[in-house]
Amino acid sequence: DAKTTQPPSMDCAEGRAANLPCNHSTISGNEYVYWYRQIHSQGPQYIIHGLKNNETNEMASLIITEDRKSSTLILPHATLRDTAVYYCIAPPGWSGGSNYKLTFGKGTLLTVNP
Amino acid sequence: DADVTQTPRNRITKTGKRIMLECSQTKGHDRMYWYRQDPGLGLRLIYYSFDVKDINKGEISDGYSVSRQAQAKFSLSLESAIPNQTALYFCATSDPESGTSGRGNTGELFFGEGSRLTVL
Repeated sequence: DAKTTQPPSMDCAEGRAANLPCNHSTISGNEYVYWYRQIHSQGPQYIIHGLKNNETNEMASLIITEDRKSSTLILPHATLRDTAVYYCIAPPGWSGGSNYKLTFGKGTLLTVNP
Repeated sequence: DADVTQTPRNRITKTGKRIMLECSQTKGHDRMYWYRQDPGLGLRLIYYSFDVKDINKGEISDGYSVSRQAQAKFSLSLESAIPNQTALYFCATSDPESGTSGRGNTGELFFGEGSRLTVL
């Protein structure tokens, strides 16, 4: 699986856009980029995913660079409830067998301030 | 009701005891996973099962075992619990066909609310 690198923490003012970066320079052509978030110690929650094209849903937008080596998750109008740890992962395509690696790193702690 | 349910939600036990954490899902997904999270760290994969007859070790399987009793049920056991197994445990499911292309893609993971285990 592609190694992902995220800043350990970020701050954002309430109502402003939060832009969370992720580097995945070793990503292969068939590996998607997924974003999840974890609020306190709850189960992580899926946000969005993409392969090549930019994606948008009701929660966020995902911008993937043309070379696919990095991406940015955008929360357009951050609220206090968006304070959470955000994980960027690039799971490997599975073609059978064991040793499947689907690990979440430490992620980015986003703190939205009033 | 939650789509992915874990029991117990909290458990305190003593060193050497056998512990079972249970996970059940109503998503109808074939793929199920058990993760462990330690304070300040990310989630590490313990075991995964891509269908009832397929169970595989993840990156930290030592000291753990699993049972896939049915498509909807995936249990994690600690045969002889030790203090460094104190952690938050998550079960997850996924369906690689949901919104993504290719058998190889993981698909969106759906997590349970977690089981907090303390081993004294």
